Amino acid sequence: LAKTTQPISMDSYEGQEVNITCSHNNIATNDYITWYQQFPSQGPRFIIQGYKTKVTNEVASLFIPADRKSSTLSLPRVSLSDTAVYYCLVGDGQAGTALIFGKGTTLSVSS
Amino acid sequence: GAVVSQHPSRVICKSGTSVKIECRSLDFQATTMFWYRQFPKQSLMLMATSNEGSKATYEQGVEKDKFLINHASLTLSTLTVTSAHPEDSSFYICSAAGTASSSQAFFGQGTRLTVV
Repeated sequence: LAKTTQPISMDSYEGQEVNITCSHNNIATNDYITWYQQFPSQGPRFIIQGYKTKVTNEVASLFIPADRKSSTLSLPRVSLSDTAVYYCLVGDGQAGTALIFGKGTTLSVSS
Repeated sequence: GAVVSQHPSRVICKSGTSVKIECRSLDFQATTMFWYRQFPKQSLMLMATSNEGSKATYEQGVEKDKFLINHASLTLSTLTVTSAHPEDSSFYICSAAGTASSSQAFFGQGTRLTVV
């Protein structure tokens, strides 16, 4: 069973900031939080990963509260090309551990 | 970042034939590879975990005799769909993890299998 819960879908307009929240109430001490993006007929693409507090890279920010039971992916100023499915996953990051995908959030960006 | 290459990207085969899908880690050694399948508008579903040099571990409900997995080297794993049927038509995706503790998995581009 997936360990995360996300909204099924979200709509936005170009130029807006989008925040997608993920619940992971049973996250383990050793678990990282990782977000992937998937376009139709492509494999998932890594976006960002964090353990606690805030992580920022060139495409997104990840906010993780102190209790780590949830996380928020923030996409600044989305464009049409950000229309995709976004998956939040938790895992211990060990090489032999498979990632279990939940349903993901389908983000639709309109002009 | 690390690159995982999957081939072919799409394949059409006749019912009853077998199809082999390759997954290669191009710039790192992958001790473990994972195979997923994805039906339209659904999430990725883990099929099996393959470790180099040993038998794959299949998830419940996945027929190991139908989906043959071989992980003969640290850079190559193959998935063979045997005696394919139309219901096997799906998007198959591989993922690879390196020898060191890697907090990030790398995914192939996926293979669209259509059985006619």
